[in-house]
Amino acid sequence: KAGVTQTPRYLIKTRGQQVTLSCSPISGHRSVSWYQQTPGQGLQFLFEYFSETQRNKGNFPGRFSGRQFSNSRSEMNVSTLELGDSALYLCASSLELAGGEQYFGPGTRLTVT
Amino acid sequence: SQQGEEDPQALSIQEGENATMNCSYKTSINNLQWYRQNSGRGLVHLILIRSNEREKHSGRLRVTLDTSKKSSSLLITASRAADTASYFCATDRGGNEKLTFGTGTRLTIIP
Repeated sequence: KAGVTQTPRYLIKTRGQQVTLSCSPISGHRSVSWYQQTPGQGLQFLFEYFSETQRNKGNFPGRFSGRQFSNSRSEMNVSTLELGDSALYLCASSLELAGGEQYFGPGTRLTVT
Repeated sequence: SQQGEEDPQALSIQEGENATMNCSYKTSINNLQWYRQNSGRGLVHLILIRSNEREKHSGRLRVTLDTSKKSSSLLITASRAADTASYFCATDRGGNEKLTFGTGTRLTIIP
């Protein structure tokens, strides 16, 4: 089975721009979660989607949004980028909603200049 | 806020020695999981222990869970250079709540 894939792997944007990151889960997995990882804040939960519906949301501003498509692929969008948005964005998929074993993608390294 | 806190934050040991890292959490859980992350990459699931289990083994890994103390430990025996990574615990509180990750332990194995 192919693993979780994330595109792009690296991205450089300037402040004020917006960005869209993509995640393809493992085939058959219906849950996709997104995390932001920074040296200062560690691994912070952004949101979780299950069957195209957002089921859980972390404590992030409205500039961070996401969606899930009928094939379980997910995208997250960050608008009006700030320097502090520079981070590794990780996507994880699992068979069930919340709690179970999660399979992570390699991440997208976003740098905001 | 973080549900789990790992201890120590960083650990350096000689190759061949055993490494022990601990995780404490705040609320009751359904299960606790350990993940490994090599530098700048995605996390890899290592082991899951349910709240009614006290100990679990997987290869050179041994995980214990003490729900009365709200703590878990991960022991890696006969460490290898390839074990150098960050290790995270993650707690599942059930009820469709999100999995919550701890702050991580940075393990360095010295050849």
